[in-house]
Amino acid sequence: DGGITQSPKYLFRKEGQNVTLSCEQNLNHDAMYWYRQDPGQGLRLIYYSQIVNDFQKGDIAEGYSVSREKKESFPLTVTSAQKNPTAFYLCASSIGPTGAYGEKLFFGSGTQLSVL
Amino acid sequence: AQSVTQPDIHITVSEGASLELRCNYSYGATPYLFWYVQSPGQGLQLLLKYFSGDTLVQGIKGFEAEFKRSQSSFNLRKPSVHWSDAAEYFCAVERPFDGYNKLIFGAGTRLAVHP
Repeated sequence: DGGITQSPKYLFRKEGQNVTLSCEQNLNHDAMYWYRQDPGQGLRLIYYSQIVNDFQKGDIAEGYSVSREKKESFPLTVTSAQKNPTAFYLCASSIGPTGAYGEKLFFGSGTQLSVL
Repeated sequence: AQSVTQPDIHITVSEGASLELRCNYSYGATPYLFWYVQSPGQGLQLLLKYFSGDTLVQGIKGFEAEFKRSQSSFNLRKPSVHWSDAAEYFCAVERPFDGYNKLIFGAGTRLAVHP
């Protein structure tokens, strides 16, 4: 079955440490997204990528980095510069961020990141 | 600034009762409108969408929503709630932004269902 796989489910970060969240999709989607979810704040876009080897900052990109070397993969690194990283992180994919893609957005099951 | 407002953070209803979750948006034109549902520790699932035409739209799991242009609202309704409907519900709007379409989510409404 096609879908999006996020790993790990739970992740703990120590002070000053960089951590990487994995996101893999086998839906053959061109576009991939990372969202951060905090209680009472809904979802906020961190980064998105419309095509391999290209990505753009979203609304809250500071303290995060991404890469898109393969169509299937869009890992997110939470750097030590992100001072408040505790949140639920959701990866999503779609055929492209145009034309009512909100209807065609597939989400992974998320990674809960906490600070030790 | 464009925004999506879900005024109710938490709602509790009894099983079998009717439900209405409110959503208001601020945007000059009519955007694409969506409702998503999220179970704990999971991603979001699309419940229904509004693009144009009939202002009452039907979705999955017996949900419906009504678009009211004059009130900039897109409220979600269900005539009879089931215990399995307990989840968090997000309203979202999609609109053009800087060469692509941008999804803006509301803060969510957490629904609890009493037996």
